[in-house]
Amino acid sequence: LAKTTQPISMDSYEGQEVNITCSHNNIATNDYITWYQQFPSQGPRFIIQGYKTKVTNEVASLFIPADRKSSTLSLPRVSLSDTAVYYCLVGGNTDKLIFGTGTRLQVFP
Amino acid sequence: DAGITQSPRYKITETGRQVTLMCHQTWSHSYMFWYRQDLGHGLRLIYYSAAADITDKGEVPDGYVVSRSKTENFPLTLESATRSQTSVYFCASGRDLSSYEQYFGPGTRLTVT
Repeated sequence: LAKTTQPISMDSYEGQEVNITCSHNNIATNDYITWYQQFPSQGPRFIIQGYKTKVTNEVASLFIPADRKSSTLSLPRVSLSDTAVYYCLVGGNTDKLIFGTGTRLQVFP
Repeated sequence: DAGITQSPRYKITETGRQVTLMCHQTWSHSYMFWYRQDLGHGLRLIYYSAAADITDKGEVPDGYVVSRSKTENFPLTLESATRSQTSVYFCASGRDLSSYEQYFGPGTRLTVT
């Protein structure tokens, strides 16, 4: 399983765009990159998944460069309700999910 | 449609007692998972199941037992609870192992005194 490294915490203000970068230098050819969001006292929630280039959904965008050794989760115009822990996971189709400690995002008014 | 539910939501038990945490999903997902979450460790996989009567160990299986007689239920039993098993336990389900899109329950906060 590819190990991931992401910042422990980030601060932002409402209305700003937040970019959380995850490093995964030893990602394998068949590995996908997946991000989860966890609010306090709740279970994690799937946000987005990608393999290469860019993926966008109603919640976020995921940017993956050509070498796939990193990825960036982009949250447009964050609000207070985006305060949560964000997990980056990397793995292939036979791997079990391995969560790290994630990035704690705090959004201020 | 409740999705995935866990019971109890909160439990306090004593060292050495047997405790069973329940998990029920209404999506008919093949895969079900149990995680524990502790400060500083993120989520760690305890056990998972690919189908009824098929279970396998995760990262931290010691001290836990699971069973899956029906697709929708996946109980987790602590045979003899220890203080180190004080944690928040999350159950999850998914269509398959490869999709990486798992759906998590609300969690059970277990305290072992």
